[in-house]
Amino acid sequence: DAKTTQPNSMESNEEEPVHLPCNHSTISGTDYIHWYRQLPSQGPEYVIHGLTSNVNNRMASLAIAEDRKSSTLILHRATLRDAAVYYCILRAVGGSNYKLTFGKGTLLTVNP
Amino acid sequence: SAVISQKPSRDICQRGTSLTIQCQVDSQVTMMFWYRQQPGQSLTLIATANQGSEATYESGFVIDKFPISRPNLTFSTLTVSNMSPEDSSIYLCSGGGGGQGGIDTEAFFGQGTRLTVV
Repeated sequence: DAKTTQPNSMESNEEEPVHLPCNHSTISGTDYIHWYRQLPSQGPEYVIHGLTSNVNNRMASLAIAEDRKSSTLILHRATLRDAAVYYCILRAVGGSNYKLTFGKGTLLTVNP
Repeated sequence: SAVISQKPSRDICQRGTSLTIQCQVDSQVTMMFWYRQQPGQSLTLIATANQGSEATYESGFVIDKFPISRPNLTFSTLTVSNMSPEDSSIYLCSGGGGGQGGIDTEAFFGQGTRLTVV
């Protein structure tokens, strides 16, 4: 599996935007970029995913670099509930392999 | 979307015994997986649970230690066998790839089973 690199931790203030970076320089053309987050004492939950174009949903936006070697998860207005570990994961398209390989992720702290 | 329920949510077990964890999904999913998460660590994939056939294990995990069953598209079990304190961890079930088999669909996770071996 192609590897991703994320900062170990980031800090934000409540109601401010948060930009969580992810580097994936060895990404292949068939890899989707997925983001999951894990709130304290819970299982991971899906945030967003994309292939080439920027994506928006009710939770966040995903900005993908033109060369696809990096991406940024954007939380437009952080809330205390957004404090979690955020995982950037590459998942290959094709076949029936849906498995996710988790890295260390970024621990996001949101200050009131 | 899918909701995944795991039982038990937590347990304290004696070393040398075995514990079976159940995972129930409220809708059919193509794939089911089992993960382990040790305190303060990320998730490590144990195996892919294959319906009607033997699970596919990741490096470092073997069937004798972690037997897995998946009799249908909504249910799976993971057994942690002959437990030692090193097996103390959170075990999570995941399901993904809905009935239509969309390759880029999201995965859903249970809340996990917190296992302590004494």
